[in-house]
Amino acid sequence: DIQMTQSPSSLSASVGDRVTITCRASQDIYNYLVWYQQKPGKAPKSLIYAASSLQSGVPSKFSGSGSGTDFTLTISSLQPEDFATYYCQQYNSYPYTFGQGTKLEIK
Amino acid sequence: QVQLQESGPGLVKPSETLSLTCAVSGGSLSGYFWSWIRQAPGRGLEWIGYIYYAGSTDYNPSLESRLTISVDTSKNQFSLKLRSVTAADTAVYYCARTYGGNMQFWGQGTLVTVSS
Repeated sequence: DIQMTQSPSSLSASVGDRVTITCRASQDIYNYLVWYQQKPGKAPKSLIYAASSLQSGVPSKFSGSGSGTDFTLTISSLQPEDFATYYCQQYNSYPYTFGQGTKLEIK
Repeated sequence: QVQLQESGPGLVKPSETLSLTCAVSGGSLSGYFWSWIRQAPGRGLEWIGYIYYAGSTDYNPSLESRLTISVDTSKNQFSLKLRSVTAADTAVYYCARTYGGNMQFWGQGTLVTVSS
């Protein structure tokens, strides 16, 4: 299985900040990567697919980049509703696997 | 907008079979893969497997020997059966519409507890 490792595991930031979350794959996954946002008690929500394509309806403050093994999710101008847990997921090969999550908390 | 809703027993006894159904509304099953994902309490996400609307499947090898995913296009729903469950199968189970590996739309999830 392809291992997905996110860093950091948790992150404190303030409203208005810009933050970056990193996801590293244990082997080349090209650009077959999705980023999700999950709020407590809710289902995950797709934000970015194919590493850098914005899911319909997702604000442009979310952006993704990377290819191969290293990827980033950047969120600009944090708002209270952005504080959540973020997951990356690869779909280059079966089984699809997720990172362990990055919890973004209010400082 | 497509909506998904999971249903099934919230409590299953050890060694028995966990059965869930995902009803899809606001769209057809056609053209998409339909996934099951689970999340153990306080833990991360695990992809269980998926089924194409036409019936082909791909499963997580860690669960494959116990798993069956099926589809009923006449009812616009798909189902999960996980046999011989243990406490380790306790989780929130989600269904999701999947396109190109991207789980675009998710159900709200249903907690299944394995306990006697």
